[in-house]
Amino acid sequence: QSALTQPASVSGSPGQSITISCTGTSSDITVYDFVSWYQQHPGDAPKLIIYDVNKRPSGISNRFSGSKSGNTASLTISGLQAEDEADYYCNSYSGSSSLYVFGTGTRLTVL
Amino acid sequence: VQLVESGGGLVQPGGSLRLSCAASGLTVSTNYVAWVRQAPGKGLEWVSVIKTDGRTFYGDSVKGRFNISRDNSKNTVYLQMNSLRVDDTALYYCARRGGNAFDIWGQGTMVTVSS
Repeated sequence: QSALTQPASVSGSPGQSITISCTGTSSDITVYDFVSWYQQHPGDAPKLIIYDVNKRPSGISNRFSGSKSGNTASLTISGLQAEDEADYYCNSYSGSSSLYVFGTGTRLTVL
Repeated sequence: VQLVESGGGLVQPGGSLRLSCAASGLTVSTNYVAWVRQAPGKGLEWVSVIKTDGRTFYGDSVKGRFNISRDNSKNTVYLQMNSLRVDDTALYYCARRGGNAFDIWGQGTMVTVSS
């Protein structure tokens, strides 16, 4: 099972909005609404920020939102802040031999 | 609620290592507990999971070499890693699969496979 495809990097200025895409296959994103997103700052463990495509855990800012269309999931961060600069990973449940597939990861730079 | 990994270290190619994930504030027998690894400078890779009914699953790259288990009396999940290869070098995280996401993560334990 190959990793889900994400852009290697995205950037935006404070206050702007950015969107990170996550492209999968007919075995994962297309057929399951079990897409989650993780934020990872350097030296820290990943942190869950979106689950079930578009739900936010308690304590996560409403500036983070998720969506899905066909084989592609997306994470949108609005009102960019300096603290949002981090690596972001998507994950999906998969009906293939590997149950849970992560994305390749996207580095967000806040200019 | 906390997960604490231990057991990492330096091992030669072909060697074995057992990682531990001690849980507090949650019961491993009533939760899905997974291992996720991250090679230096690379992305996240799901390794293995043990479900509440005891069924175990593995990623393709570790199938046949790694074994996940749990000790309910110690509230701990283990990852036995055999036939280790250089490309198994990574920070290994323990994580709870709560609902449909990895919602609780440990701080990780580093495994280095090198001669």
